[in-house]
Amino acid sequence: KQEVTQIPAALSVPEGENLVLNCSFTDSAIYNLQWFRQDPGKGLTSLLLIQSSQREQTSGRLNASLDKSSGRSTLYIAASQPGDSATYLCAVRQETSGSRLTFGEGTQLTVNP
Amino acid sequence: EAGVVQSPRYKIIEKKQPVAFWCNPISGHNTLYWYRQNLGQGPELLIRYENEEAVDDSQLPKDRFSAERLKGVDSTLKIQPAELGDSAVYLCASSLGPAENYEQYFGPGTRLTVT
Repeated sequence: KQEVTQIPAALSVPEGENLVLNCSFTDSAIYNLQWFRQDPGKGLTSLLLIQSSQREQTSGRLNASLDKSSGRSTLYIAASQPGDSATYLCAVRQETSGSRLTFGEGTQLTVNP
Repeated sequence: EAGVVQSPRYKIIEKKQPVAFWCNPISGHNTLYWYRQNLGQGPELLIRYENEEAVDDSQLPKDRFSAERLKGVDSTLKIQPAELGDSAVYLCASSLGPAENYEQYFGPGTRLTVT
């Protein structure tokens, strides 16, 4: 059974700092990996989707990398802003599970002004 | 373009009572998902529909949970009777199709509190 782990569980940083969120998964037979953002009381917003054949994806100040063989992904946020404060979730899609996403527990990020 | 719509946003009920959640996916999205998210955890899939057909309901507690998507558009998830452990956020998501490379778009969720 696929297990997804996110470290750290919570992170508090001053505004302007660069930061890295980590995601690891136990079964490397994945189709793709997706990073989401969740604001309190709201649904999930997709940030980046990385196909298993890709090494990284970039969107603005966000960069996600994928090392499928070692079961790891990182989300890099440059020049963090208070508006980045949210919970960040990573999810993997198994090759054998169709469209089912397996989520980690998330990293709760607070960026202090 | 309207996103995934869910109602109600919040629901408080006493245990043993029934409850129902409604979801309207993005127009044209054939695949619909219901997830449950417990506090401090990531969402877990309950059921996936391809049009009207439930194609993955292996994680749906069928003794008390039921779902339907009669016309292949909007969907209802029901719990009867509710238990204290059912308190969670119930998220609906949709995608264009079942293919693995289609992104899933999530609604705001329904926060259920069972007292």
